[in-house]
Amino acid sequence: GDSVTQMEGPVTLSEEAFLTINCTYTATGYPSLFWYVQYPGEGLQLLLKATKADDKGSNKGFEATYRKETTSFHLEKGSVQVSDSAVYFCALTGNQFYFGTGTSLTVIP
Amino acid sequence: GAGVSQSPSNKVTEKGKDVELRCDPISGHTALYWYRQRLGQGLEFLIYFQGNSAPDKSGLPSDRFSAERTGESVSTLTIQRTQQEDSAVYLCASRVGLYSGNTIYFGEGSWLTVV
Repeated sequence: GDSVTQMEGPVTLSEEAFLTINCTYTATGYPSLFWYVQYPGEGLQLLLKATKADDKGSNKGFEATYRKETTSFHLEKGSVQVSDSAVYFCALTGNQFYFGTGTSLTVIP
Repeated sequence: GAGVSQSPSNKVTEKGKDVELRCDPISGHTALYWYRQRLGQGLEFLIYFQGNSAPDKSGLPSDRFSAERTGESVSTLTIQRTQQEDSAVYLCASRVGLYSGNTIYFGEGSWLTVV
């Protein structure tokens, strides 16, 4: 069945470091791919999405490209900030939403 | 409403009691999902409603868990004879239709503590 495999954390980075969180998927058909973020004490919110192969989603300096050939949707940011500390979830959808296990990111000054 | 609304936001209950958690989805959203998130864990799918179709109950962990939704409105998740392992945040989410690119919007969650 459909599933998402996400890089395990926790991840700790210094401010202004480069971030990559890996996400790979297994799916039938043509799913859309999402990254959600959960800031401390808050609910999940959409960070970015891509609905077809080779699309790039971007928001708040984060980017992810839908790679059908490698079945991946890795999240990247060139220079992280303390305010980016959160848990990041990769997700895949057709009718159902399938979430990865989440990756906790802590950015230290 | 403007967003997905859940109530109560916090609930402390004694082991063995029944609890009801309510979700009011975004107006016009035909799909509604319930997830469970234990402390420090990922999202565990519980149940999914789409319009008037039969719900996908494949994620419900036991027969103590049930959920209802009338049409495209409010949903109620009921946990009977609560156990300590039921302590978690219960998240409701909704989205418009079944197009795969449609975003799913989450409520703030209902924090359940079973003592």
